Amino acid sequence: VQLVESGGGLVQPGKSLKLSCSASGFTFSSYGMHWIRQAPGKGLDWVAYISSSSGTVYADAVKGRFTISRDNAKNTLYLQLNSLKSEDTAIYYCARTGPDYWGQGVMVTVSS
Amino acid sequence: DVVMTQTPVSLSVSLGGQTSISCRSSQSLVHSDGNTYLYWYLQKPGQSPQLLIYKVSNRFSGVPDRFSGSGSGTDFTLKISRVEPEDLGVYYCYQGTHYPPTFGGGTKLELK
Repeated sequence: VQLVESGGGLVQPGKSLKLSCSASGFTFSSYGMHWIRQAPGKGLDWVAYISSSSGTVYADAVKGRFTISRDNAKNTLYLQLNSLKSEDTAIYYCARTGPDYWGQGVMVTVSS
Repeated sequence: DVVMTQTPVSLSVSLGGQTSISCRSSQSLVHSDGNTYLYWYLQKPGQSPQLLIYKVSNRFSGVPDRFSGSGSGTDFTLKISRVEPEDLGVYYCYQGTHYPPTFGGGTKLELK
């Protein structure tokens, strides 16, 4: 199982970013997937979940601003981040449910 | 949301020694399907979290039997015996029974 995130970077408050998570080594379409984040020096914070049938659940802190989606044909998970705030600054991990396997993470920095 | 309280916040242990970490939830983690979705993770410095224990007491693939999980309802414990250098890092408990999923605040394991 391998999960590789991409798409992070430095973005201004109020702007948008789209993260990707490329999956391999398992039947991606059969598993639910999570996004989990970790602010610098802090603990783990669950963000969103998408089931194998594309049902979604969000943390209150991101509801209405973030959108989780998946493309089973491309074995890829996405997280669209809109209206970004400084408190969204974190390493974003994708993880297979469980969560059992995690990616290496991608840094998102929201700053002017 | 379910609050996960981990104690202690930090722990000093000698190599070869034994230690335990407590995790308490603000409500029962027994799911309506009869499972208890309590997990334990270790995050080594500079790495993403890795799953150690799932559903209270089941060791994940490749996890040595020095790690054991126990508990029920709202009280859970991770025991680590014969501590080795690669066991150092931050341990997190996680509940997936109630949405949103939540993590404990973490316990940092250091060498004495």
